[in-house]
Amino acid sequence: AQKVTQAQTEISVVEKEDVTLDCVYETRDTTYYLFWYKQPPSGELVFLIRRNSFDEQNEISGRYSWNFQKSTSSFNFTITASQVVDSAVYFCALSDLNSGYALNFGKGTSLLVTP
Amino acid sequence: NAGVTQTPKFQVLKTGQSMTLQCAQDMNHNSMYWYRQDPGMGLRLIYYSASEGTTDKGEVPNGYNVSRLNKREFSLRLESAAPSQTSVYFCASIVDTMGYSNQPQHFGDGTRLSIL
Repeated sequence: AQKVTQAQTEISVVEKEDVTLDCVYETRDTTYYLFWYKQPPSGELVFLIRRNSFDEQNEISGRYSWNFQKSTSSFNFTITASQVVDSAVYFCALSDLNSGYALNFGKGTSLLVTP
Repeated sequence: NAGVTQTPKFQVLKTGQSMTLQCAQDMNHNSMYWYRQDPGMGLRLIYYSASEGTTDKGEVPNGYNVSRLNKREFSLRLESAAPSQTSVYFCASIVDTMGYSNQPQHFGDGTRLSIL
């Protein structure tokens, strides 16, 4: 069965702190795709990153970085030097052939960054 | 480019009323999806359409019907609305599930539906 778990429901940090959002997934497919989306208070879904199952390279984009580890079925997201504008709900999602490549979302982590 | 357009943005219904949520994309995408978002639940797939003329059930299809009218449009219908269907509904599209499965889905801005 396909499943995405974001164990952290809410996280609160002070501006400039680093914060890591955890994501653990389950799938029976050997080929699958992982995504992170951001949902700011305005409600739209903003794509952040995708990762293919055969590409375990970590990625850094500005203050954002992602750590993909197949051995632990995890795809964690770190924000360095957090800013108030990072306050949002962050979703990890998985797609594979079994789901018709629809996205299976975790329940999300609500991040609050205070000044 | 408008991307994925959903109408209406907000709607209030009474229990038992029917309604169709409209979704259109102008990116020539083959595959389209309907999700619902409830507090603390993330987004859950209602139905999807891998190509024009095909539709498949997702995780939570009960109480809904869909129509893939053409390549651009994918509508979601509530035949007899229930309070449990109060939610935010998102439509999404992707160019093609076969060759581009790793591409991110493009989402509309959502429809906020309240059923009294």
